[in-house]
Amino acid sequence: DAGVIQSPRHEVTEMGQEVTLRCKPISGHNSLFWYRQTMMRGLELLIYFNNNVPIDDSGMPEDRFSAKMPNASFSTLKIQPSEPRDSAVYFCASSLTRGGAQYFGPGTRLTVL
Amino acid sequence: TQLLEQSPQFLSIQEGENLTVYCNSSSVFSSLQWYRQEPGEGPVLLVTVVTGGEVKKLKRLTFQFGDARKDSSLHITAAQPGDTGLYLCAGVITSGANNLFFGTGTRLTVIP
Repeated sequence: DAGVIQSPRHEVTEMGQEVTLRCKPISGHNSLFWYRQTMMRGLELLIYFNNNVPIDDSGMPEDRFSAKMPNASFSTLKIQPSEPRDSAVYFCASSLTRGGAQYFGPGTRLTVL
Repeated sequence: TQLLEQSPQFLSIQEGENLTVYCNSSSVFSSLQWYRQEPGEGPVLLVTVVTGGEVKKLKRLTFQFGDARKDSSLHITAAQPGDTGLYLCAGVITSGANNLFFGTGTRLTVIP
C-alpha cells in the first residue's frame, strides 16, 4: 500500500512568492495533520482535519498560512507571501483512529531566499 | 514552553553501548507514542504505551510508561549504527483526542 504522498519534495522560492504544498493521505484514514519541523523549534503541529473538516488551526503561524482539504484524498498547505523564516521541512501525516499512530509522508523541504 | 521535554537533546555513543532516553512532562497522558526519524524521512512509529507502568520491548529497545503516565523512557541495549536517528516521544492528553503533542527530540548517533 502507498504511504502518505507529499509533493514537491524540495521547493526553493524567493521571498514574496506563493508556495503550495500538497499531500495525499493513506486511503481510509480520516485524520490529516500538517507539521513544520526546524532545528530550533522541533516538530510543530500547524493544523489538523477530521473527515476533511479543519478542527484545530491554532498552530498556523499567521494569516499568510492557509490549508484546505477539499476531499478525503487531498490536502494543500499554502503560504502567501512566503518569507525566509518559513524555511523548514513540512510534513503531512494521516491516522486511522483518534489519538492513534500517525503515518508521516517524506516531507517537503522549503527554502525561501 | 514544550509540553514534553526529552533528555538528553544529543547523544553520541559507541556501538555496543547501552543508553536511555527520557521523556518528561507535568501533564498526564492517556497514551504515549515513540517515533524514530531518519535523515530525509518522516517519523516512523515504534511503539504505543497506554497503561501506567507498562513496559514494552521491541528487540533491543525497551519502552516504559511511568506509573503516573507523566513520563516515559526508552532504553536501547547494545546500540547499533542502524539505531542512529532522531527519537521523538508524543503524547495524547485526553482519551479520544486526536492530536499528539510531540517532545523536543533526542538526536542519537551510534559510532561504529
